[in-house]
Amino acid sequence: AQKITQTQPGMFVQEKEAVTLDCTYDTSDPSYGLFWYKQPSSGEMIFLIYQGSYDQQNATEGRYSLNFQKARKSANLVISASQLGDSAMYFCAMRAIVGGTSYGKLTFGQGTILTVHP
Amino acid sequence: DTEVTQTPKHLVMGMTNKKSLKCEQHMGHRAMYWYKQKAKKPPELMFVYSYEKLSINESVPSRFSPECPNSSLLNLHLHALQPEDSALYLCASSQVTSGRNEQFFGPGTRLTVL
Repeated sequence: AQKITQTQPGMFVQEKEAVTLDCTYDTSDPSYGLFWYKQPSSGEMIFLIYQGSYDQQNATEGRYSLNFQKARKSANLVISASQLGDSAMYFCAMRAIVGGTSYGKLTFGQGTILTVHP
Repeated sequence: DTEVTQTPKHLVMGMTNKKSLKCEQHMGHRAMYWYKQKAKKPPELMFVYSYEKLSINESVPSRFSPECPNSSLLNLHLHALQPEDSALYLCASSQVTSGRNEQFFGPGTRLTVL
């Protein structure tokens, strides 16, 4: 079974500052992928960044980076230079990779609501 | 085209009504998903279709009936719903090849059951 834990129900950050959203996970699968999604109040889930369990380097996508510490089972999202439009719910999720096939059920954390102040 | 579309955006129905939610993608994805999401909670997987065949049913009540008529289209037929079924229903699609295969989500249908 897989489990994702996001311990920060809400986070506040000043515009242009960096913020880290925490995510820890637990799984018995030897190979897995970790995802971060953003959900604005409009409802649509927006994919932000992906980290494979065997990737040697931490993933980066523009202002988003993933601080992956495999031994600690953590996959924290770092948003640099926060913008007002970053205010949203953020979900960490994971999925097993079995036999090279990697689609199917995503296990989500409870989410963190990020509020960016001007 | 990297978009998943869902119709309708909003739906209000009585407990005796029959309605359908529609989802469409033209990205060539061969996996499609239905999720249910309550306010301030994570999405809960309901169904997964792979190559137009149902591959995962997360023990969803039979009042929800999915259908995948072709590789671009996914429907969710609703019948005799309960007020607790009121939620945001999200559709998603993804590739099934090796790789990250991130799921692309539609904007959702906000369902209210009276």
